[in-house]
Amino acid sequence: EVQLVESGGGVARPGGSLRLSCAASGFAFDDYGMTWVRRVPGKGLQWISSINSNGDTTTYADSVKGRFIISRDDAKNSLYLQMNSLRAEDTAFYYCARGRANIEGGWFDPWGQGTQVSVSS
Amino acid sequence: QSVLTQPPSVSGAPGQKITMSCTGSRSNIGADYDVHWYQQFPGTAPKLLIYGDDNRPSGVPDRFSGSKSGTSASLAITGLQAEDEADYYCQAYDTSLRGYVFGSGTKVTVL
Repeated sequence: EVQLVESGGGVARPGGSLRLSCAASGFAFDDYGMTWVRRVPGKGLQWISSINSNGDTTTYADSVKGRFIISRDDAKNSLYLQMNSLRAEDTAFYYCARGRANIEGGWFDPWGQGTQVSVSS
Repeated sequence: QSVLTQPPSVSGAPGQKITMSCTGSRSNIGADYDVHWYQQFPGTAPKLLIYGDDNRPSGVPDRFSGSKSGTSASLAITGLQAEDEADYYCQAYDTSLRGYVFGSGTKVTVL
């Protein structure tokens, strides 16, 4: 069974950091690009960042560029999101999702169950 | 503010057909990037509903269909059922932003 399981969410102070992890199983992890998407309370889905299958190309939404870093460890079948300089507006439910290898176009399937991040003083 | 525009809500009676739009621009839908649709119930992860404009993954009922024309796309649900009450999102790639974009989401209510 193809499965993605996120962890690492929690409460952080403004300006603080959190590191999210996404453990993948049931498929050849290094054949796929991976993506982080968040759902902000009362709002919709927002794409955050993607990394290609080789790990040598990354893209970020303007809202997190320079603060968040996406990475992957194919030996551990894991995806990561290092979140620095957190802001209140980063409060959301964060999902990892499997995508196209070259991260230009394509859809996301499957998605993990998500992890909650709350930024508050 | 989402790059792709969807109506906030659509409603219909059981058995009816409803449609929802997803309007983009020349840098995403109009750039010939495929449109994909997701269904999300409260407290659960989004689920892929339509991929590549008009394709259904295995297990998705044929009551759901997608289409695309120009800079817009549509999702139709025929034979609406109570279990279809959910939020629906469209998604594409944007060549100007060099990233993915989602619609603002449409909440479907079954009357």
